[in-house]
Amino acid sequence: QKEVEQNSGPLSVPEGAIASLNCTYSDRGSQSFFWYRQYSGKSPELIMSIYSNGDKEDGRFTAQLNKASQYVSLLIRDSQPSDSATYLCAVNNQAGTALIFGKGTTLSVSS
Amino acid sequence: NAGVMQNPRHLVRRRGQEARLRCSPMKGHSHVYWYRQLPEEGLKFMVYLQKENIIDESGMPKERFSAEFPKEGPSILRIQQVVRGDSAAYFCASSPGDVFGEQYFGPGTRLTVT
Repeated sequence: QKEVEQNSGPLSVPEGAIASLNCTYSDRGSQSFFWYRQYSGKSPELIMSIYSNGDKEDGRFTAQLNKASQYVSLLIRDSQPSDSATYLCAVNNQAGTALIFGKGTTLSVSS
Repeated sequence: NAGVMQNPRHLVRRRGQEARLRCSPMKGHSHVYWYRQLPEEGLKFMVYLQKENIIDESGMPKERFSAEFPKEGPSILRIQQVVRGDSAAYFCASSPGDVFGEQYFGPGTRLTVT
């Protein structure tokens, strides 16, 4: 059973701080990795994708991938209360036909 | 609005009835995926379709559930003889065609079985 693991949280950070979210996956054949944000009662919103080892930055978000360690992370700089949500890590299965999701980490940013 | 569209947004069915959920992919997208999110659980893959073809249905329950994506019109997820355990949020996602690429989600259909 291929799995994606995340700490459920909640992760609490003050406004302006860096939030660090982590994810591990079990399938070494995975090729693409995604972070989605989901507000309560809403649908997942894609915020970052990463395909190769290293860092990828987009605004206040940085995704990091280490395939050898089977580890993906998301850093959110200058956290805002509006960043308070559940963050879902997703990994493609080997065939590329489905995303396997972690259960998500709940982030709470206090003002 | 060029986003993924789903309807209805909320659906209430009594046990034993049929539920039909519709999904129109983003403009230019030809690949559709259905996921289910049970209360307090993660998103689970159900099925992946291209026009007129089911590519991967490994996440679909063996009975009562079916999906299609006809040449014309939206993709439909059909649940026959619904039971209370089918109550969940059902999300559709679409992608432009790169199987390892990004998937964009619709607003979801919240199914409640009474």
